[in-house]
Amino acid sequence: AQKVTQAQTEISVVEKEDVTLDCVYETRDTTYYLFWYKQPPSGELVFLIRRNSFDEQNEISGRYSWNFQKSTSSFNFTITASQVVDSAVYFCALIEDTGGFKTIFGAGTRLFVKA
Amino acid sequence: ETGVTQTPRHLVMGMTNKKSLKCEQHLGHNAMYWYKQSAKKPLELMFVYSLEERVENNSVPSRFSPECPNSSHLFLHLHTLQPEDSALYLCASSQDGGASGNTIYFGEGSWLTVV
Repeated sequence: AQKVTQAQTEISVVEKEDVTLDCVYETRDTTYYLFWYKQPPSGELVFLIRRNSFDEQNEISGRYSWNFQKSTSSFNFTITASQVVDSAVYFCALIEDTGGFKTIFGAGTRLFVKA
Repeated sequence: ETGVTQTPRHLVMGMTNKKSLKCEQHLGHNAMYWYKQSAKKPLELMFVYSLEERVENNSVPSRFSPECPNSSHLFLHLHTLQPEDSALYLCASSQDGGASGNTIYFGEGSWLTVV
């Protein structure tokens, strides 16, 4: 069965610190897709990144970077030089190629960035 | 501006009321979703429509009734709700389903309080 674990419930950092949000997943499929979403207090889940299981290249987008490692079934997210606007709940998610319409979400990690 | 819009953003209703949540997507997608997000619980998939046909119905109580008149619009009709139904209801859309791992795009959500 597929599963996504975000072990960090809450993280608090001071502005300009780097922070890594962990995501570990379980799946039996060889083809699957991983996602990260950001949920600010307003409520909307904002799509950040999508990765397929055949592409293990790390990705960087501005202050955001993602480290995908199939060997450890992890898809971690790092924010460099965090800012107050990064305060939000971050969700990691997985959908299997055979999963139909069921995206599996982790429980989320709440990030507080203090000025 | 989000490609998925939800109205109303906030709704307070009594347990005997009947109300509806509305969702519209401007992304040309074929699949639409309702998710429920309660405090301290993971995102729960409620319903999925693909090409206006319901393809997922995850044991949701009958007091929640979805309607998808076309691929751009989705409604969630509410009647005789309970206080524990108070939550954030998120609408989302994707191009298709799990195959090819289509990204789900979310609306801003409707905050529902049942009194």
